[in-house]
Amino acid sequence: EADIYQTPRYLVIGTGKKITLECSQTMGHDKMYWYQQDPGMELHLIHYSYGVNSTEKGDLSSESTVSRIRTEHFPLTLESARPSHTSQYLCASTAAGTGKEKLFFGSGTQLSVL
Amino acid sequence: LAKTTQPISMDSYEGQEVNITCSHNNIATNDYITWYQQFPSQGPRFIIQGYKTKVTNEVASLFIPADRKSSTLSLPRVSLSDTAVYYCLVVRTGGSYIPTFGRGTSLIVHP
Repeated sequence: EADIYQTPRYLVIGTGKKITLECSQTMGHDKMYWYQQDPGMELHLIHYSYGVNSTEKGDLSSESTVSRIRTEHFPLTLESARPSHTSQYLCASTAAGTGKEKLFFGSGTQLSVL
Repeated sequence: LAKTTQPISMDSYEGQEVNITCSHNNIATNDYITWYQQFPSQGPRFIIQGYKTKVTNEVASLFIPADRKSSTLSLPRVSLSDTAVYYCLVVRTGGSYIPTFGRGTSLIVHP
């Protein structure tokens, strides 16, 4: 079973707050991704990383930022949350160079901004 | 990367076999076909992956014709717990491949 963890599972906060969504994996994977998903909709890639000190923005414009200081840790930060940020955030990882790019996902963080 | 097209939704009944077809007309030689399953409020989970012909595991079978322009995920004897969204992805091996998910197929299994 995949060892990728996201915390918190659910988060309700007020507008303007700074929040950090945590994502950690114990599989030693180099590639990590953050997706945003609204109910019944597709997953939108917002950030990805190919390894330590590597971060890139995805297809969906996002006001969030990420960091990759350690291989196992890929946190996502919102400096000032707004109601438009209400969504499910999914973290995923895969081993680079395997050739078949099998993704492992965390259980997600459901964020509600009031 | 090859764009995929699959039905938005499907309905079935317990005990039936369900086949979900995905088209990927522009698939390249070094691309694999991968399917994921997603339950509500959870992240997608890998089901099966194949390159050509037929692949079978404990969960599903994947049929890929010789031209590889489509693939069919087959779920034998579905139960209510198979109600989920199923995503078909074309995966390019190595390099700077970015996994892209479409809307998937929402499968509802009825009693």
